Amino acid sequence: EAGVAQSPRYKIIEKRQSVAFWCNPISGHATLYWYQQILGQGPKLLIQFQNNGVVDDSQLPKDRFSAERLKGVDSTLKIQPAKLEDSAVYLCASSLPLTGLNTEAFFGQGTRLTVV
Amino acid sequence: RKEVEQDPGPFNVPEGATVAFNCTYSNSASQSFFWYRQDCRKEPKLLMSVYSSGNEDGRFTAQLNRASQYISLLIRDSKLSDSATYLCVVKTGGSYIPTFGRGTSLIVHP
Repeated sequence: EAGVAQSPRYKIIEKRQSVAFWCNPISGHATLYWYQQILGQGPKLLIQFQNNGVVDDSQLPKDRFSAERLKGVDSTLKIQPAKLEDSAVYLCASSLPLTGLNTEAFFGQGTRLTVV
Repeated sequence: RKEVEQDPGPFNVPEGATVAFNCTYSNSASQSFFWYRQDCRKEPKLLMSVYSSGNEDGRFTAQLNRASQYISLLIRDSKLSDSATYLCVVKTGGSYIPTFGRGTSLIVHP
């Protein structure tokens, strides 16, 4: 079974530039998450989708970050403009529908962003 | 107070040792609990779920203490390949958002 696909794997940009990340979840997984993991810290949830609807985006810095999942499958996360503190690994994860408390979240390999 | 707290370590142990990590959570409404493992520069992967009665998977034992709001992970007979960061994850009913701790680093040396 194919896992969660993310691209690009690495990205280096200058501050104030824009960047976009792409995620393709496991087939049939209605729930999709974007996490930000800063070095030495645990993953922090940015946004959670159920199909193409947003379940939670309370920790998404909406002045610069945006995310969409228009057809309920692939998702993109955008940062515009980037700041130095956005340097992190951006992890996409997916799971079976929301109602499963014990459902496992499967992660992609992440996109390592460096803002210089 | 953070929702999920872990001692970052690192825990340095010799091969064959037994090591235990704790994780505390602040929301008493939390309903499901997991341990994930994350190798250096890799993505997190599920190690095991934590059930109310406690559960064991080979050398790994997970326990839940609802009264004191913590979960634990015990690793027996440590192997070099157990070296990784162990992330505690908590879900609360209603939102079902997986909330991660910062992780505990384990280094097993020969």
